[in-house]
Amino acid sequence: KNEVEQSPQNLTAQEGEFITINCSYSVGISALHWLQQHPGGGIVSLFMLSSGKKKHGRLIATINIQEKHSSLHITASHPRDSAVYICAVFTSGGGADGLTFGKGTHLIIQP
Amino acid sequence: KAGVTQTPRYLIKTRGQQVTLSCSPISGHRSVSWYQQTPGQGLQFLFEYFSETQRNKGNFPGRFSGRQFSNSRSEMNVSTLELGDSALYLCASSLVSPYEQYFGPGTRLTVT
Repeated sequence: KNEVEQSPQNLTAQEGEFITINCSYSVGISALHWLQQHPGGGIVSLFMLSSGKKKHGRLIATINIQEKHSSLHITASHPRDSAVYICAVFTSGGGADGLTFGKGTHLIIQP
Repeated sequence: KAGVTQTPRYLIKTRGQQVTLSCSPISGHRSVSWYQQTPGQGLQFLFEYFSETQRNKGNFPGRFSGRQFSNSRSEMNVSTLELGDSALYLCASSLVSPYEQYFGPGTRLTVT
């Protein structure tokens, strides 16, 4: 079973700051998801990565397959970015039972 | 295109009762997966259905069951509810493989 570690667990920052959330995993994967969960529960998939880097608006996600590590960056952070960010990895054949989630990073952006 | 919908959004039940939750996937999606989220355990995989067949199952007791209908809508059932079943239950759909999933808003179940 893949072990997924996220850091930091909690992060409070000021509006406008550059944010980095890290995700490390123990076993080789076929893909990695970054998810965002706002208070109230709904989850939104931000990125799915298997290599390299993806960018969407102010969000950037990178993955280093050799180092088994991914980062999620938020540029020019805004209070609406306050949410829990969850890393999820797909291992082996990529079936849903191979999906392992991190515990999440609770981000608060203060105005 | 409408997203994944789940009903009901909130539910309060008593220990020993049973509950049925519903999930309607994105149109055209054939795979539906269910997850349980609790503060202590985080997100855990329950099961996945594809074309009305359970394709994968997580490590949960037999009180947790599910099914999928021919229109890809899925239900999950929890019998003989326990206090520890209080959680947010999320469903996610994908076209074929759970490789890229779209999550619903969740059903928050409270067992008293």
